[in-house]
Amino acid sequence: SQTIHQWPATLVQPVGSPLSLECTVEGTSNPNLYWYRQAAGRGLQLLFYSVGIGQISSEVPQNLSASRPQDRQFILSSKKLLLSDSGFYLCAYVAGYNEQFFGPGTRLTVL
Amino acid sequence: GQQLNQSPQSMFIQEGEDVSMNCTSSSIFNTWLWYKQEPGEGPVLLIALYKAGELTSNGRLTAQFGITRKDSFLNISASIPSDVGIYFCAGELSGGSNYKLTFGKGTLLTVNP
Repeated sequence: SQTIHQWPATLVQPVGSPLSLECTVEGTSNPNLYWYRQAAGRGLQLLFYSVGIGQISSEVPQNLSASRPQDRQFILSSKKLLLSDSGFYLCAYVAGYNEQFFGPGTRLTVL
Repeated sequence: GQQLNQSPQSMFIQEGEDVSMNCTSSSIFNTWLWYKQEPGEGPVLLIALYKAGELTSNGRLTAQFGITRKDSFLNISASIPSDVGIYFCAGELSGGSNYKLTFGKGTLLTVNP
C-alpha cells in the first residue's frame, strides 16, 4: 500500500532563517508530487509540482524552492524565511487515475 | 486561471440533518474530487468522479459530476458529530501529465449534537 510522510510535523523558525521540509512516498514509483500551502483562510495554493526526478515546476514565484533528489522524495526549501511564509504545508502524490493523496502536513510558524 | 466557486462557505446544522454543498466553474473539468480536512491534518479523499452525470456514494456521502462538466455537488445524509470539518471540491482539467487540481475554498461544516 502507498503511504506519504512529511516532517517535521511542526516548526517554529525566526525570520531570515533557512527552511527544509521533506516529503517521502512509499509503495509507488515515479509518482507526480506536489507542494501546497494552506493559509488560515483555508484555500489550498499549489506551490510546486514534479513529474519526475529533477523536474520541478513552479506555480507561484516566491521565496521558496523545491527539489526532487530521489524518485519518492520531494523537498521544499527557503534560504531566508519571511513572516508571510507561515502556514500549513501539504505534500501530495497522484495514484490511481489522477487522484491526489495528501500527507499529514507541516505547520510552519515564522516569528 | 481556473476558479472553483464552492458554496456555502460554512454550515451549522443539527445532528441528523442532511447536508448539501456544491462547486461550480466556468471551465469544463474531466475529474471532480471531494476531500474532507480535519483540524491540523491533511485533506482526505472522499469521492472521485470521472464521467459527466456520474453519481457515486461512499457510505452516507453522495456526489455527482454535473452533466455540463462544470459543476459537482456533495450530499451528506443523517449527519453525525464526526462529520465536522472542511470539505473541499477539486477539479482536474487533464489533457496533460501534470494532473494539477484546482481547489474550491472549502465549506466549513459544524454539526451540533
